[in-house]
Amino acid sequence: GQNIDQPTEMTATEGAIVQINCTYQTSGFNGLFWYQQHAGEAPTFLSYNVLDGLEEKGRFSSFLSRSKGYSYLLLKELQMKDSASYLCAVTDSNYQLIWGAGTKLIIKP
Amino acid sequence: GAVVSQHPSWVICKSGTSVKIECRSLDFQATTMFWYRQFPKQSLMLMATSNEGSKATYEQGVEKDKFLINHASLTLSTLTVTSAHPEDSSFYICSARDQGDRDYYEQYFGPGTRLTVT
Repeated sequence: GQNIDQPTEMTATEGAIVQINCTYQTSGFNGLFWYQQHAGEAPTFLSYNVLDGLEEKGRFSSFLSRSKGYSYLLLKELQMKDSASYLCAVTDSNYQLIWGAGTKLIIKP
Repeated sequence: GAVVSQHPSWVICKSGTSVKIECRSLDFQATTMFWYRQFPKQSLMLMATSNEGSKATYEQGVEKDKFLINHASLTLSTLTVTSAHPEDSSFYICSARDQGDRDYYEQYFGPGTRLTVT
């Protein structure tokens, strides 16, 4: 079966760094997405990885290791507005998005 | 970036009535759109994949006679919740897939529709 695992909830302090991990087992792989979703709102795109390595975009970076079926989202200089759920999603061989359950990130002052 | 709109943003209806939700891609053509529902504090659950000009593909456990999907044009898909019941109350989100000039597909999400059935 297809499976994506990420922690249910994480807590971090404003100004700090947090890493949200995602492991996946899917039928085929055509890329991995990270989305941010604030409560009551639709998800918004953060990053896309299809090759191994680190993609940096401002305070957010995303890493992928295809051989390990592993990705992480790194958030630096945390701000209160970063409190949200972070969704990991993998595109399988049929280009369908398989979603993780999401990680709720709580930022404390 | 690509924009997807959804209408209405929220709706309250009585049990037994039907509700139609529209999803539009505003600045791109989407041959494929997706319908999700999300219960509080839970992740997105894919309900169906809507392909322009053909029947929607429903996920296991989703009643196609209850959740009618029509994707009659490249910019519009509709979801009709028929004979709604309180357990259908949820946040319904659509997304549209677009490749643009990239080498991958990206999904753009509508703002969601909060349905409350009384």
